[in-house]
Amino acid sequence: NAGVTQTPKFRILKIGQSMTLQCTQDMNHNYMYWYRQDPGMGLKLIYYSVGAGITDKGEVPNGYNVSRSTTEDFPLRLELAAPSQTSVYFCASSYPSGQGYSPLHFGNGTRLTVT
Amino acid sequence: GNSVTQMEGPVTLSEEAFLTINCTYTATGYPSLFWYVQYPGEGLQLLLKATKADDKGSNKGFEATYRKETTSFHLEKGSVQVSDSAVYFCALTDFNKFYFGSGTKLNVKP
Repeated sequence: NAGVTQTPKFRILKIGQSMTLQCTQDMNHNYMYWYRQDPGMGLKLIYYSVGAGITDKGEVPNGYNVSRSTTEDFPLRLELAAPSQTSVYFCASSYPSGQGYSPLHFGNGTRLTVT
Repeated sequence: GNSVTQMEGPVTLSEEAFLTINCTYTATGYPSLFWYVQYPGEGLQLLLKATKADDKGSNKGFEATYRKETTSFHLEKGSVQVSDSAVYFCALTDFNKFYFGSGTKLNVKP
């Protein structure tokens, strides 16, 4: 299994440019997440989705948009890139669990620099 | 609300030393607790988990016990190896939303 696949691995953007970070999973997981990881700051949730057609904001959604048209794909869009969005972005997925326990499966990340 | 606090790093140890990384949490419900590990250039990988009070999670020589009375989930390993050098994250989940600590970098010297 490929698990969670993110593309691209690296990207440099100029201020004001836009781009889409791709994320796809082949585990048939309902839940998908986007996190950003700033140095020494841990992970912050940007957006998440509990199923196709359903998305919701996390802790730091400003400047980002998402869509979830299929179970497999959960792209993250940056419309007007700003230096504050320089970070490493991780996509993750999980499945519903009656116990409330369902570990996250992470992709390998996209390192984005905005200059 | 929900939050996770873990000790700041970096933690530097010699090979075969004993490791403890402290983690405490605040939660409104009955969370499940996790430790994730991140090796350089990679995403986070699940290291171990515990779903209820007094559960002990273990994997690859690492252990952590879910202590509800002290709201803690400290990570321990009796004898670390150079290959354990990584960043370790404590996390909790409450109804499939995850909350992470800031991470603790571990450096193990030969």
